[in-house]
Amino acid sequence: DVKVTQSSRYLVKRTGEKVFLECVQDMDHENMFWYRQDPGLGLRLIYFSYDVKMKEKGDIPEGYSVSREKKERFSLILESASTNQTSMYLCASSPEGAASNQPQHFGDGTRLSIL
Amino acid sequence: AQSVTQPDIHITVSEGASLELRCNYSYGATPYLFWYVQSPGQGLQLLLKYFSGDTLVQGIKGFEAEFKRSQSSFNLRKPSVHWSDAAEYFCAVGADTGRRALTFGSGTRLQVQP
Repeated sequence: DVKVTQSSRYLVKRTGEKVFLECVQDMDHENMFWYRQDPGLGLRLIYFSYDVKMKEKGDIPEGYSVSREKKERFSLILESASTNQTSMYLCASSPEGAASNQPQHFGDGTRLSIL
Repeated sequence: AQSVTQPDIHITVSEGASLELRCNYSYGATPYLFWYVQSPGQGLQLLLKYFSGDTLVQGIKGFEAEFKRSQSSFNLRKPSVHWSDAAEYFCAVGADTGRRALTFGSGTRLQVQP
């Protein structure tokens, strides 16, 4: 069965810390995505990657960076965490092909609190 | 650029009643359309998708959706709602050109009354 695994379900960090959110997929998918989800705003795309070492900015990349050194792993990095980055973070992947027309498979999310 | 509007933030229906969740999209050509469901504390699960062909699409859990080009809509329906359908529902649109990722709506939260 398709599986996208996010390393933490809940995470609490302090302002100014460097935070790493990890995501692993076991489907050999080319495309991987990071979203943040906030009430009333739906899912907003932070970054996505269409190949190893390739990335593209989404709608809200400010304050975030990403890393994709291996096909199955996509990391989201908060360079210096701030309280307005408290949110639910969702990772997703989709198979080879245009990222804009493939169904995505989601992890269960990481609820991140920045104190 | 494509966009998605889900006009209803919150809907409450009685168990056994029919359901229709609205989704309107904006895109010049034929879009790729998706409905996802998110149960509390979980990620999103794909319910159904429309790429081309028959405008009435069947999905999992007894859901269906109809693509209406003239109305730029892709509404989700279920003839009889079960208590386990209580969740948040997201419509998403993709395209062959322009933005290289799906665009999601803001979601509709469904409550089911006994």
